[in-house]
Amino acid sequence: SQTIHQWPATLVQPVGSPLSLECTVEGTSNPNLYWYRQAAGRGLQLLFYSVGIGQISSEVPQNLSASRPQDRQFILSSKKLLLSDSGFYLCAWSVLAGVGNQPQHFGDGTRLSIL
Amino acid sequence: LAKTTQPISMDSYEGQEVNITCSHNNIATNDYITWYQQFPSQGPRFIIQGYKTKVTNEVASLFIPADRKSSTLSLPRVSLSDTAVYYCLVGGQGGSTLGRLYFGRGTQLTVWP
Repeated sequence: SQTIHQWPATLVQPVGSPLSLECTVEGTSNPNLYWYRQAAGRGLQLLFYSVGIGQISSEVPQNLSASRPQDRQFILSSKKLLLSDSGFYLCAWSVLAGVGNQPQHFGDGTRLSIL
Repeated sequence: LAKTTQPISMDSYEGQEVNITCSHNNIATNDYITWYQQFPSQGPRFIIQGYKTKVTNEVASLFIPADRKSSTLSLPRVSLSDTAVYYCLVGGQGGSTLGRLYFGRGTQLTVWP
């Protein structure tokens, strides 16, 4: 069966520090991968998605970047964190299908607090 | 990309059937309707997906009228553990809509004993 792992579960970082959040998927090949951010009491905002190694699409301009160095690895990074980067970060994957809409499967998220 | 409208909150009691309706007036021909459930500090969990008419699985039913401009998630005999936020999404796979599923604020369902 397929599984998705995110780490760390919680992270406290000072303003201006770098960030690296990692997500890996097991049990599937060539998944679509996604990074979302959820502010407290709000819905999810899509940040990045990827349809293959090295292929990253950004939904909103921001202080963050994403990379996909391997088929099942998705990394969210920042060179200098801002206070506004605080939030709940979620990684998700879906199967690429020719027909229909494949549901996305989410990890357990990383709670990021910027001090 | 079709946006959705859901009630912000709903209350129910254990053992009752709960119906959450979602409006999506601008749904496109190739869009599917998907519902997710989210507990605090966890990622959303896929519940059910449909294109038209009725879909049923072990946890819920999804009713979609012929015009597909709305859908209703039905949870039979809810329990306290069904207290969560429920999201309705519409979207399609492929082309420019890939990955761009719009998560609104969802519906906070609270089940009381």
